Amino acid sequence: QVQLQESGPGLVKPSETLSLTCTVSGASISSGTFYWSWVRQPAGKGLEWIGRIDFSGSTNYVPSLRSRLTLSVDTSKNQFSLKLDSVTAADTAVYYCARADYDILTGSYAFDVWGQGTMVSVSS
Amino acid sequence: IQMTQSPSSVSASVGDRVTLTCQASQGVGKWVAWYQQRPGKAPDLLIHGASSLQTGVPSRFSGSGSGTEFTLTISSLHPEDFATYYCQQANSFPITFGQGTRLEI
Repeated sequence: QVQLQESGPGLVKPSETLSLTCTVSGASISSGTFYWSWVRQPAGKGLEWIGRIDFSGSTNYVPSLRSRLTLSVDTSKNQFSLKLDSVTAADTAVYYCARADYDILTGSYAFDVWGQGTMVSVSS
Repeated sequence: IQMTQSPSSVSASVGDRVTLTCQASQGVGKWVAWYQQRPGKAPDLLIHGASSLQTGVPSRFSGSGSGTEFTLTISSLHPEDFATYYCQQANSFPITFGQGTRLEI
């Protein structure tokens, strides 16, 4: 059974860097046609995809965060990570890591495994 | 690509049949998934590839559509189905979600 677990500080000061790590268990981050994403959700609002990375380190980012966002992967630890620079209150949200399963034959790209989410508040 | 869900909220009763709609601002083929999210929980995948039922999801859930119009149907509501539902497209980056439909008793 594949499980994802987010970890990182729950409180970050404005203008500082938000750093989160997602640890994958039950499967190798290097196996299969999987992509590893971050999705965030401000309180009471909808889901926002932030970006994704594959086992080789290839990334895609949402344009609105591209200048501040860095995703990385550590296959030896079976982890992938997020760093978001110069945070503001607008970055306060629950951050989820998620696995995307990709099947070009069925036209399917969907997040089939999610972490439980971690609340990050940006405040001084 | 903007995904617009309608209605934003709907009230229904146990046993009712409910259809939720998602419209894409441009064609996305069948690269659409649907999720259920209960309060305080991560989303759960229901449908992928617009109409394929995720393993373990009850058969009362079904999805259809292609191009710009998609629907999620729950054939007979169970008490645990009252939640918020999101559609998501992956035809092109950035991946985007609809704003959600809240299904209330």
